[in-house]
Amino acid sequence: GAGVSQSPSNKVTEKGKDVELRCDPISGHTALYWYRQSLGQGLEFLIYFQGNSAPDKSGLPSDRFSAERTGGSVSTLTIQRTQQEDSAVYLCASSSHHFPGQRNTEAFFGQGTRLTVV
Amino acid sequence: KQEVTQIPAALSVPEGENLVLNCSFTDSAIYNLQWFRQDPGKGLTSLLLIQSSQREQTSGRLNASLDKSSGRSTLYIAASQPGDSATYLCAAYSILTGGGNKLTFGTGTQLKVEL
Repeated sequence: GAGVSQSPSNKVTEKGKDVELRCDPISGHTALYWYRQSLGQGLEFLIYFQGNSAPDKSGLPSDRFSAERTGGSVSTLTIQRTQQEDSAVYLCASSSHHFPGQRNTEAFFGQGTRLTVV
Repeated sequence: KQEVTQIPAALSVPEGENLVLNCSFTDSAIYNLQWFRQDPGKGLTSLLLIQSSQREQTSGRLNASLDKSSGRSTLYIAASQPGDSATYLCAAYSILTGGGNKLTFGTGTQLKVEL
């Protein structure tokens, strides 16, 4: 696609329910990232995919959070047993990496999914 | 651990004024430095990307500079307009396990340009 696409744009869920957030990266981009923007915390890195593998999951806040990527394209971030503190905007980004550690590759962000846990 | 700070946190200026937003980072071993704009309830819009070998980038009324040795970047906005009102974020790129690039974001400067 022309840009990074995220769905849904808004999601309201009840505490304790599971949610899935979807990201469609720019076509051909091998690297995909999830970030979270919550009040008082700013923008935080969650997880990085290179292809279908996730070499860095260091930002996932708890084991309720997981993510997968299939076909080197679409990624899904899953939050189980949602809590009110999970309320935030979840942003996805993609970039083109031709080899590991390539430095000068710009990250392109989607419009985000605003998650509200009530 | 990289930490990115932006000063001021908020800024209100009259239309037409030139202004400077500041960004500082603690670890000078960065690659790119990128400035974004975020409108309320919206995602991130990329403004300027300064690569590690560069010292500045310009786009229209915007100019961003990077001094890695001092851990600073500035975003200069010339002849500000009400449409420039938004939150401005800077982000420093560093290497992740597995070779990707992690962005560490500053806390943002909320700009209001008044008529």
